[in-house]
Amino acid sequence: EAQVTQNPRYLITVTGKKLTVTCSQNMNHEYMSWYRQDPGLGLRQIYYSMNVEVTDKGDVPEGYKVSRKEKRNFPLILESPSPNQTSLYFCASRPGLLHYEQYFGPGTRLTVT
Amino acid sequence: GQQVMQIPQYQHVQEGEDFTTYCNSSTTLSNIQWYKQRPGGHPVFLIQLVKSGEVKKQKRLTFQFGEAKKNSSLHITATQTTDVGTYFCAGGILDSNYQLIWGAGTKLIIKP
Repeated sequence: EAQVTQNPRYLITVTGKKLTVTCSQNMNHEYMSWYRQDPGLGLRQIYYSMNVEVTDKGDVPEGYKVSRKEKRNFPLILESPSPNQTSLYFCASRPGLLHYEQYFGPGTRLTVT
Repeated sequence: GQQVMQIPQYQHVQEGEDFTTYCNSSTTLSNIQWYKQRPGGHPVFLIQLVKSGEVKKQKRLTFQFGEAKKNSSLHITATQTTDVGTYFCAGGILDSNYQLIWGAGTKLIIKP
């Protein structure tokens, strides 16, 4: 089944404790991105990647890191999480440049205390 | 900066009534997409519009893209409980094939 998977689905952590949220897609998509969703603000892009080893900042990159060492995986790293990073996070992928339809993962609800 | 305004933020309707959400961009878009997010779920792609003045239909859903490619609407006829959720528009930025600017979403609530 074609899908985007994220892990963990739920995470409660404390300020400053490094964490990684994994994202994987099995559709051989070139383009992947991370979003955060907060009430009333919709979806805001954190980082995106156009292909392996090619990443760029989205609208709200501060406090986040990403890497794209393999085409299928695009982990999101929070080196020192803070309470303002409490949010619902979505990973998404799309086939490539001429294909705009995005496929979203199920989401990761992160709480930083 | 570039932004897409989506209104209303919420809409309460009785089952069977119509629903419309509107998106207006500050800049000309290359395309616009619509997504639906059910409560507790993730956004799911509904449709993409590319041409100026384009109108597409999916059963009770009608999508329009304005002549100037700066605005779009989604209209649902005779809402059903299965339509509940938040509807997002996302516009493609004209000079970039990679970036989308997202509306904040319209939450459709069906009154019991």
